[in-house]
Amino acid sequence: EDKVVQSPLSLVVHEGDTVTLNCSYEVTNFRSLLWYKQEKKAPTFLFMLTSSGIEKKSGRLSSILDKKELFSILNITATQTGDSAIYLCAVAGWQGAQKLVFGQGTRLTINP
Amino acid sequence: DVKVTQSSRYLVKRTGEKVFLECVQDMDHENMFWYRQDPGLGLRLIYFSYDVKMKEKGDIPEGYSVSREKKERFSLILESASTNQTSMYLCASSIGRDEQYFGPGTRLTVT
Repeated sequence: EDKVVQSPLSLVVHEGDTVTLNCSYEVTNFRSLLWYKQEKKAPTFLFMLTSSGIEKKSGRLSSILDKKELFSILNITATQTGDSAIYLCAVAGWQGAQKLVFGQGTRLTINP
Repeated sequence: DVKVTQSSRYLVKRTGEKVFLECVQDMDHENMFWYRQDPGLGLRLIYFSYDVKMKEKGDIPEGYSVSREKKERFSLILESASTNQTSMYLCASSIGRDEQYFGPGTRLTVT
């Protein structure tokens, strides 16, 4: 059974800090790993990772995948209060239906 | 921009009622999904559909059914609502195996 585990489940930091969110997975015939940000509404897409060791970057956010150790990290530097959200990790496999398996999410709170 | 809309943001229903949640996407995506989101459990897949009139059970289909009569519309039906179906319901759509685009969610309370 495909499985995604995120850690920590909750994190509180001060504005300006750097945070690292973790996502480990087990999936049959891995295809991709996706990160989403969810504020008080719809999850919004951040990154899709398919290859090991290649960092994806968008402003202060970056993410990398390790297909050997089966995990990904999401880094946020110089955090701002607007980064407060739930961050969701999901994986997709090549076999079977075109669906995503999600982790529990990490609730990140940035205090001013 | 892809737009996924859901019929209600908040809904309160009584135990035993039949409940319809509607989802519409405007980007001609073939795949559509219904999830529920509960604290500590993340998003769990209820049903999905990869074509009109096609449906597949997800991980937690019990107590739910779906309907997809048109490509842009995917409905989730709670045949007889129960209190353990109080949750946030999220609809999503996608093309192929690419990223899914989510609607704003419907927070359903069953009393």
